Amino acid sequence: GNSVTQMEGPVTLSEEAFLTINCTYTATGYPSLFWYVQYPGEGLQLLLKATKADDKGSNKGFEATYRKETTSFHLEKGSVQVSDSAVYFCALSASNTDKLIFGTGTRLQVFP
Amino acid sequence: EAGVAQSPRYKIIEKRQSVAFWCNPISGHATLYWYQQILGQGPKLLIQFQNNGVVDDSQLPKDRFSAERLKGVDSTLKIQPAKLEDSAVYLCASSPLRGRTDTQYFGPGTRLTVL
Repeated sequence: GNSVTQMEGPVTLSEEAFLTINCTYTATGYPSLFWYVQYPGEGLQLLLKATKADDKGSNKGFEATYRKETTSFHLEKGSVQVSDSAVYFCALSASNTDKLIFGTGTRLQVFP
Repeated sequence: EAGVAQSPRYKIIEKRQSVAFWCNPISGHATLYWYQQILGQGPKLLIQFQNNGVVDDSQLPKDRFSAERLKGVDSTLKIQPAKLEDSAVYLCASSPLRGRTDTQYFGPGTRLTVL
């Protein structure tokens, strides 16, 4: 079945460090891929998405590229800030449905 | 634009009691979702509505969970009777259309603790 695997956290970084959170997926066909973010005390928010192979989603300095050959959608940011501290969820919706399937989430902690 | 509203934000009950959660989606959004997020896990879809019809309830434990979306707007999710393993955050989401590329907008969630 369809699934998403994320690297376990927490990821702890100093401010201005480079961030990578790995995400790989298993799905038939051509899923859409998403990164959602959950800031402390808030609801899930869409961070970025990509709907076809080689698409790059980007928002707030974060980027992720849809790599069909490696079934990956890794999240990257060149210079993190304390305000980026949150839980990040990778998710997919398969080609024949709009149902979101989430990974387990990765907590990012950024220290000054 | 107002976001997805949920209430209550927190609920503590004892096992075997019943509980209900309410969701008001973004105005005009036809599709509404209920997710269960157990601590340390990603959200899992329980039920999906398109207007007031059920599209997918394959992962809803129907012996104890029920949901409705009368008039295709607000929705309620009920658990009766609750078990300890139902402790989780219950998230409501909505989207304007139904499609694999559409963004789902999430509410703040209701945190349920079953003692």
